[in-house]
Amino acid sequence: KQEVTQIPAALSVPEGENLVLNCSFTDSAIYNLQWFRQDPGKGLTSLLLIQSSQREQTSGRLNASLDKSSGRSTLYIAASQPGDSATYLCAVRADSGGYQKVTFGTGTKLQVIP
Amino acid sequence: NAGVTQTPKFRVLKTGQSMTLLCAQDMNHEYMYWYRQDPGMGLRLIHYSVGEGTTAKGEVPDGYNVSRLKKQNFLLGLESAAPSQTSVYFCASSYGVNSPLHFGNGTRLTVT
Repeated sequence: KQEVTQIPAALSVPEGENLVLNCSFTDSAIYNLQWFRQDPGKGLTSLLLIQSSQREQTSGRLNASLDKSSGRSTLYIAASQPGDSATYLCAVRADSGGYQKVTFGTGTKLQVIP
Repeated sequence: NAGVTQTPKFRVLKTGQSMTLLCAQDMNHEYMYWYRQDPGMGLRLIHYSVGEGTTAKGEVPDGYNVSRLKKQNFLLGLESAAPSQTSVYFCASSYGVNSPLHFGNGTRLTVT
């Protein structure tokens, strides 16, 4: 059974700092991994999708890497801003019982202090 | 382009009542999903659909039914609401299995 873990559960950093969020998964036979942000009371917003054949994806100040063999992904946020404050979730898609199941981590709640 | 739209945003039900949650997407996506999000348990898949006219069970399907009569709409029904179904419900869609998931803003349901 695929399990996705995100550590730490919460993180507080001063504005301007570069930071790394971690995601680990137990079964490396995945199709892809996706990073999301969730603002309070809102849905999930897709940030980056990394296919299993890729090593990283970049979008603006965000860079996500994938090491499938070790079951790890990191989300790097450069020059953090207060607007980056949100909960960040990772999710992996893999075969499970005949369908491509997406398993979510429980997230890292990020607070960027002005 | 509205993306994924969920209605209603909030609802309070009494035990035993029924209701339908509507999800609509305007991105021509084949795949649609219903999740529930509970504190400490993350997102869990209730039902999903891989195309118009198809539905399938996810991890926690008991007490829910779904229909996908039109490609753009995916309905989630609660037959007889129970307090354990108090949750935030999210609809999501994707073009294919290797495409990003797009989420709606959720429906907060309380069952008393």
